[in-house]
Amino acid sequence: GQNIDQPTEMTATEGAIVQINCTYQTSGFNGLFWYQQHAGEAPTFLSYNVLDGLEEKGRFSSFLSRSKGYSYLLLKELQMKDSASYLCATLDSNYQLIWGAGTKLIIKP
Amino acid sequence: TAGITQAPTSQILAAGRSMTLRCTQDMRHNAMYWYRQDLGLGLRLIHYSNTAGTTGKGEVPDGYSVSRANTDDFPLTLASAVPSQTSVYFCASSVDLQGELFFGEGSRLTVL
Repeated sequence: GQNIDQPTEMTATEGAIVQINCTYQTSGFNGLFWYQQHAGEAPTFLSYNVLDGLEEKGRFSSFLSRSKGYSYLLLKELQMKDSASYLCATLDSNYQLIWGAGTKLIIKP
Repeated sequence: TAGITQAPTSQILAAGRSMTLRCTQDMRHNAMYWYRQDLGLGLRLIHYSNTAGTTGKGEVPDGYSVSRANTDDFPLTLASAVPSQTSVYFCASSVDLQGELFFGEGSRLTVL
């Protein structure tokens, strides 16, 4: 079966660094997405990885290891506005997105 | 403002009634999607469309129908609503099936 696992909730301190992990088992693989979703709002795109390695985009970085079925989202210099849910999703062999349930990130001052 | 528009933003509906959620995009994206999001669960795909004139079933299509008469519009219809269809519904679009998704603001539907 197809499965995406990510922690339900994480807490971090303003100014710190946090890593949100995502493991996946899908039928085929055509890339992995990370989206951010603030409470009561729509998801917005953060990153896309299809090759192994680290993609850096400002304070956010995303890493992929296809052999391990593993990705992480790294958030640096945390700000209060980073409090949100972070959704991991993989694109399977039929180009269907498989979504994790999301990780709720709570930032404390 | 370019983007994707959903209507209504929220609705309370009596069980057994029909309802159409509207979705319009002005980005000329080929692919469009309808998702539902329930607490504790990931986004679940209801129906999708690769291009105008074609539609496909997602993970949870039962009780829902869609049409894609043109590039811009992708309405979702509940023929006879049931309480288990209470959810937040998101419409999304992408350039193609590999592209990033752009989401509408969501429609919160309550079926009593």
